This record gives sequence, structure tokens and C-alpha cells, in this order.
Amino acid sequence: DIVMTQTPSSQAVSAGEKVTMSCKSSQSLLYSENKKNYLAWYQQKPGQSPKLLISWASTRESGVPDRFIGSGSGTDFTLTISSVQAEDLAVYYCEQYYDTPFTFGSGTKLEIK
Amino acid sequence: EVQLVESGGGLVQPGRSLKLSCAASGFTFSNYYMAWVRQAPKKGLEWVATISTSGSRTYYPDSVKGRFTISRDNAKSSLYLQMNSLKSEDTATYYCASQSAYGPYYFDYWGQGVMVTVSS
Repeated sequence: DIVMTQTPSSQAVSAGEKVTMSCKSSQSLLYSENKKNYLAWYQQKPGQSPKLLISWASTRESGVPDRFIGSGSGTDFTLTISSVQAEDLAVYYCEQYYDTPFTFGSGTKLEIK
Repeated sequence: EVQLVESGGGLVQPGRSLKLSCAASGFTFSNYYMAWVRQAPKKGLEWVATISTSGSRTYYPDSVKGRFTISRDNAKSSLYLQMNSLKSEDTATYYCASQSAYGPYYFDYWGQGVMVTVSS
């Protein structure tokens, strides 16, 4: 199974600050034939179901604010929020869909100071 | 607007069975792979099952293989999860999710979830 490791487990930032969170996979998620990374990011706000933010490591979903930026390739990925807003309070999960079983990281909890 | 509405959850004794349903609307259900993802209380997300657009292919992790069965009825835009031989570790909120129109990739839409509690 591909193990997804997210760091940090929690992070507290002030509104307006930039935040980065990491996701590392135990094997490469880059598919050589199409040069795509099979990595997604989800946001789960308190009491809500998860929401897809980013697919293919860096493709932002429609309607997702452009302050959310996905980057990385291979085994190392990053989600950056360029200027955190109060409504970004949530747990952020990465997930690999390169191979079954599809696996998620344990999440990064973002707290607003 | 895409809507996924789960039902069928509840309290069930260990070893018993339960069937979850998910009613889909707002998109062409038959064009999408569909999946179930669960979340134990205060825990992270765990993929449970995926089914292809026609229903001919299904995928499971080892934790539920042989106990859970995913199925779909494209005429009714509905997804199902038959759960047998339930264990306490199956206690979780179960989410119905669409898994992309292009293959078993990312989970693009999620339902609100339904709680399943396995306890005597």
C-alpha cells in the first residue's frame, strides 16, 4: 500500500499569513505515460463532509479561491494557502489515486490565531 | 447542483448486516465511477469501495474485502453498500462520493454522510 505522510499535524496561523503543508508518499505518484501526478487535496471544515480542492497535484477545482495552490511531483507535495482567511479553518487531507487501495494522509489541522 | 444523499445508517450489533443507499442527482450518474469513503469518530478518511460506471468492476481494500459489496442502479441513479459481518472497527460516518467521470481517480463530490455504529 502507498503510505501518505502529512506534516505538520496541526498549525496555527493568523489571518493574512501564508501557510504551507506537506504531503509525502511512500512511492512516486507520477505516471510516466501521461506525466500526471495522481494526488488530490481535500478540505474538511468542522461538521462538514470533505470538499475537493485540487486534483492532479496542482489543478484547482472550479470555484476554489486562487489562494489555494498545489505543487510538487513524484513523492513530495505541498498545499499552500497564500493568505489565510478565517473561513479556511479546517483539516486538509492529501490522497493518492495512483493505485488501489486509495489512501489518505492523516491530515493537517489548520487553526486560526 | 450535484446532490448525494446517503441513508440506511444506524446502530447494529457485531456480526450483523446493514445496507447503505445513496441517491444521486444533478449530474449524469451513469458516467461516473462511484465510491464509499468512511471516517471513524475523530479520525481520518478511509476509502471503502469503488464501482465502475457500468458496475462490472469493483475495488475494495483488504479491510472490507469479502464483507462489503458495492453496487449501483444507473436507472435509479443510486449507489449501495451492503455490509456483512460488521465489526466494531466499522463504526464510522460513511460518505458516498463520485469518483470522477474519467476513471477511478479523485473524489469530486461528497454526500453529507451517514453514521453507522456497530455495538452490542
